[in-house]
Order: sequence, then C-alpha cells, then structure tokens
Amino acid sequence: KAGVTQTPRYLIKTRGQQVTLSCSPISGHRSVSWYQQTPGQGLQFLFEYFSETQRNKGNFPGRFSGRQFSNSRSEMNVSTLELGDSALYLCASSLWGSGTGDAKNIQYFGAGTRLSVL
Amino acid sequence: GENVEQHPSTLSVQEGDSAVIKCTYSDSASNYFPWYKQELGKRPQLIIDIRSNVGEKKDQRIAVTLNKTAKHFSLHITETQPEDSAVYFCAASNYGQNFVFGPGTRLSVLP
Repeated sequence: KAGVTQTPRYLIKTRGQQVTLSCSPISGHRSVSWYQQTPGQGLQFLFEYFSETQRNKGNFPGRFSGRQFSNSRSEMNVSTLELGDSALYLCASSLWGSGTGDAKNIQYFGAGTRLSVL
Repeated sequence: GENVEQHPSTLSVQEGDSAVIKCTYSDSASNYFPWYKQELGKRPQLIIDIRSNVGEKKDQRIAVTLNKTAKHFSLHITETQPEDSAVYFCAASNYGQNFVFGPGTRLSVLP
C-alpha cells in the first residue's frame, strides 16, 4: 500500500506570492491533517479535513487555507507569503471513522514539502 | 485548548544506557497519546502509542507509561543504540482528532 505522498518536495517562492501544496493520503484514509514544522516551534497543527469538510483548525491566519476532494486528496494554500512562512509542511492521514480500535487513530506522515520564502 | 510540554529538550546517553522523555498535557479529555520518532531529513514515524484506559505499554526496548491523574506520560527506551538517535515527539489527542504535539526531544546516543 502506498504511503502518504506530498508534492512538490521543495518550493522556492518570493514574498507576496501564493503557493499550493498537495497531499495524497493512504488509500482508504479519509482524515488528512496539515502541520507546519519549524526548528523553533516543532509541529504546529494547521487544520484537519474529513470527508471534504474542515473539521478542526489551528491558530494560523486566514492566509492559510485548505480543501479536500472527494477522493480524500487534500491541498493547502498559502496566500501573500511572508518570510516567516518558510518551513516544512507535513500532512498526515488516518483511518479515523473508517477503522476499528486503536488503528483508526494512528496518523501516518508524508515526507513533507519544504517551502522557502525569499 | 490542549497544551503539551515535553522535557528534556535535548538528551545525551551512552550506548546501552536507558533514556526517558516526559510529557505533560493539560486537557483531561485527551485520551490517545502517540510518540513519534523523526530522524534527520525524514518524516515522523509512530513508534508507540497508548490510550487513556491503559497505564503502560511495551514493545521490545520501548515502553510508554501514562498517569491520567497527573496528566503525564513518559517514553522509556532501554539498551539504547546509535540508531535511536533522533528527535522524539509526544502528542495528545481526543479520539484521534486535534493532535497537539510537544516541542520535541533531541536524543543523542553516544558510542
């Protein structure tokens, strides 16, 4: 079974631009969460999508948005990029709602998209 | 909202010794606590997890303990090996949603 796939792996943008990141979850997983990882802040939760609906949201400005498609693939968009948005963006998928027992809680991470804002 | 603290931020041990990383959480509704290992340049990988109805769980050299009353849980690694060197993250979640991660512990196992 293929793992969580994120594209692209690397991105270089300039301030003020916008960017879209993509995440394909493990087949059968309906929950997709997005995280921002920086050296000083660890893993910060952005938002979670389940069945095409944003179910939970972290404390990030409205410039950060996302969506989920009917095939559970998810995209994250950041508009008006700032230097501080430079980070590794990770997505994670889980069986939530589809599995049984403890297995449905487990989050599997993608390799991430490293975004550099110049 | 939930807040997860993790200590220590860095930990160095001699190969063969044990390592212990501790986390505390604030929300008593949290009931699922995973631990992730992230090697340099790689994705976080689940190494062990525990639910709130269990006090301890063990998998070979790795164990996790949970004290619901005190709202803290710990990762124990015995007989450490160089390949255990990585950053370890604890997390707290409510039924597999709203994961809040600790800031991470960088473990170095010295030969």
